[in-house]
Amino acid sequence: NAGVTQTPKFQVLKTGQSMTLQCAQDMNHNSMYWYRQDPGMGLRLIYYSASEGTTDKGEVPNGYNVSRLNKREFSLRLESAAPSQTSVYFCASSWEYNEQFFGPGTRLTVL
Amino acid sequence: DAKTTQPPSMDCAEGRAANLPCNHSTISGNEYVYWYRQIHSQGPQYIIHGLKNNETNEMASLIITEDRKSSTLILPHATLRDTAVYYCIVRVSYNTNAGKSTFGDGTTLTVKP
Repeated sequence: NAGVTQTPKFQVLKTGQSMTLQCAQDMNHNSMYWYRQDPGMGLRLIYYSASEGTTDKGEVPNGYNVSRLNKREFSLRLESAAPSQTSVYFCASSWEYNEQFFGPGTRLTVL
Repeated sequence: DAKTTQPPSMDCAEGRAANLPCNHSTISGNEYVYWYRQIHSQGPQYIIHGLKNNETNEMASLIITEDRKSSTLILPHATLRDTAVYYCIVRVSYNTNAGKSTFGDGTTLTVKP
């Protein structure tokens, strides 16, 4: 039982490049979330998905798109990366709206 | 979801109880209080949650005031490994608005030998 897994662990992009962050969970949770955490700050919600086939914006959705591919997988896409998107990205999942289980994070640097 | 207020940092001696306060004066009747912690740069870890009764598990105790406007997370015998950032959040648990609950900046707890 791996819990929540994220790929890649680290990524460096140049301004304007695109990439997709992958997240998968094996706990049969229906809700999944994407957060970003800037240095010395708390987590801010980017997007979430209450169930397969639905997604909603969080606090800071601009510059991102998401796809809930199936119940297990929830991806985050940066279409045109900017230095302001340099951050650590965490994916999480939960059963209904209960406690969230977090992945190890993806550390993204945009030059 | 209600906003929470936590002190930015606290120290605690190893082996003593760590008491971390959280203010959530605008909490609604259907909102739970959740606590998480983040050790170094790892993903946050769930600790405990409650609605209005005090709760205890193998990690910690949660004391919620009768008016539910504040709560305290208690780590009964803090160890060096409890050094982390502790987040208090409030959220409903039954509808899609729960997805919009956010983490503030938390309290950095430093346990000292």
